[in-house]
Amino acid sequence: SQTIHQWPATLVQPVGSPLSLECTVEGTSNPNLYWYRQAAGRGLQLLFYSVGIGQISSEVPQNLSASRPQDRQFILSSKKLLLSDSGFYLCAWSRGDGGAGYTFGSGTRLTVV
Amino acid sequence: QKEVEQDPGPLSVPEGAIVSLNCTYSNSAFQYFMWYRQYSRKGPELLMYTYSSGNKEDGRFTAQVDKSSKYISLFIRDSQPSDSATYLCAMSDYKLSFGAGTTVTVRA
Repeated sequence: SQTIHQWPATLVQPVGSPLSLECTVEGTSNPNLYWYRQAAGRGLQLLFYSVGIGQISSEVPQNLSASRPQDRQFILSSKKLLLSDSGFYLCAWSRGDGGAGYTFGSGTRLTVV
Repeated sequence: QKEVEQDPGPLSVPEGAIVSLNCTYSNSAFQYFMWYRQYSRKGPELLMYTYSSGNKEDGRFTAQVDKSSKYISLFIRDSQPSDSATYLCAMSDYKLSFGAGTTVTVRA
């Protein structure tokens, strides 16, 4: 069966520090991968998605970047965090166009102080 | 106008009541319709999935899709305190668009 791992679960970082969140998928090959941010009462905002190694699409301009160095690994990064980067970050995967739904990781709660 | 509109609630019901949730959408290209359940501080989990107009039942849960009205619903019968969560609707053409989520509390 397929599983998705996301870590860390909680992170507190000072303003201006770098960020690296990692997500890995097991039990499938060539998944579509996604990074979402969830703000309270505002639903899920798609940040990045990837359909293959090295292929990254950005949905919104921001202080973050994403990379996919391996087929089942997706990394969310920032060189210098802003207060506004605080939020709940979720990684997800899907097959094909995602018509069968996405499977989400357990999320990382990031607080920038 | 957002592609997917969902009343954020909150919604509070007594145990055993029927919970009724709904979303409207504007993109007629959406082909797949889903409901996710999200417990506090957890990732969303897929609850119901359908791709056609009509009803789909799974235990105490019923999902309805009306493509002509661009309206989808989720009903939870005989609600339990364990159903307390945030419910998000989601729709897909080539990628998923989410509603804001409705927070539901079922009181024992």
